[in-house]
Amino acid sequence: GAVVSQHPSWVICKSGTSVKIECRSLDFQATTMFWYRQFPKQSLMLMATSNEGSKATYEQGVEKDKFLINHASLTLSTLTVTSAHPEDSSFYICSARALGGGGQETQYFGPGTRLLVL
Amino acid sequence: GQNIDQPTEMTATEGAIVQINCTYQTSGFNGLFWYQQHAGEAPTFLSYNVLDGLEEKGRFSSFLSRSKGYSYLLLKELQMKDSASYLCAAPRGNTDKLIFGTGTRLQVFP
Repeated sequence: GAVVSQHPSWVICKSGTSVKIECRSLDFQATTMFWYRQFPKQSLMLMATSNEGSKATYEQGVEKDKFLINHASLTLSTLTVTSAHPEDSSFYICSARALGGGGQETQYFGPGTRLLVL
Repeated sequence: GQNIDQPTEMTATEGAIVQINCTYQTSGFNGLFWYQQHAGEAPTFLSYNVLDGLEEKGRFSSFLSRSKGYSYLLLKELQMKDSASYLCAAPRGNTDKLIFGTGTRLQVFP
């Protein structure tokens, strides 16, 4: 249980285009999903919290108009990188909360999406 | 503020034991997580500690001391496949937003 998928797994695009990344919880419902970004040899940085049926909440320094988040259902959240530029090239990872072993809520991560903007 | 510190890199030999330390400063405490992340992959959950003491799960154990703001991940009988980054994380305040340390890159040699 507690499987999270992401699509696509990697994408290469030209500067100025928009890229949509999907995050799905496959075997559980997730009212909250999280989007992270990870640059090479660095740790995960939380970008935003995606809430089903309401607006996402963004971390300080993350442009909400550039990183559009939609949480359309209890199993799907999407992140759209609008007008992508080379500095947006990164590893984007989503996570969703689910009950783990022992009954505590744990965040389970998707496999990540590697974005390269040329 | 909130801060999580862990060593950047460690090396060890196959079959040995290694301890990866993590110190944290958080506003409020709602548990501490350890994740394993292989290069180019997403993190996978290893452990969650909310009470003091050692919790063992097979070859991996995790320890927590809330009074000292300190945790460690203990890996026994190291295998080559254990070469990965190990991330220490804690919820920010009373939220469910995880703050990650920089990660400790462990390299296991034969």
